[in-house]
Amino acid sequence: DGGITQSPKYLFRKEGQNVTLSCEQNLNHDAMYWYRQDPGQGLRLIYYSQIVNDFQKGDIAEGYSVSREKKESFPLTVTSAQKNPTAFYLCASSIGVLQGGYTFGSGTRLTVV
Amino acid sequence: AQTVTQSQPEMSVQEAETVTLSCTYDTSESDYYLFWYKQPPSRQMILVIRQEAYKQQNATENRFSVNFQKAAKSFSLKISDSQLGDAAMYFCAYRKSGTASKLTFGTGTRLQVTL
Repeated sequence: DGGITQSPKYLFRKEGQNVTLSCEQNLNHDAMYWYRQDPGQGLRLIYYSQIVNDFQKGDIAEGYSVSREKKESFPLTVTSAQKNPTAFYLCASSIGVLQGGYTFGSGTRLTVV
Repeated sequence: AQTVTQSQPEMSVQEAETVTLSCTYDTSESDYYLFWYKQPPSRQMILVIRQEAYKQQNATENRFSVNFQKAAKSFSLKISDSQLGDAAMYFCAYRKSGTASKLTFGTGTRLQVTL
């Protein structure tokens, strides 16, 4: 079945360490996105990518980095520069940025201690 | 910048009854999409319904329907014959069309379904 796989489901890291969240899709979608979800704030866009080797900053890109070397993969690195990294992270994809709704992964809960 | 407002942090409905979740948005665009997403306790985001702004007819999907008022910039979701499985967070979202753009979400409404 086609879908988006995020791994791991739960991730714990010490403060000051970089951590990379995985997002893989087999839907042949062109566009991929990373959102952060905090209680009471809905979903906020971190980065998005329309095609391979191209990506744009979203609303809250500071402290994060991404790469898009393959169509299927869009990993997100949470760097030590991110002041409040503990959150739920959702990856999504769509056929194209011009298209309608997104397909979401099941998310990664990152806890930094 | 586009904003999406959901003014009801929590709502409750009895099983088999009807409930309406509110959403307003702010945009200067004339062509755009609106969505309702459901996030159950599993936290998987599920697309419930979608509305194109150029369509006057309100979208429906089985027990889910919307009341789209373009002039008022209002996009409410009506759930009929509520079921226990409808209990979830519901997010309203907006995206302008015709150019590379992001999906902007509201802060969500938590829906409880009681027996």
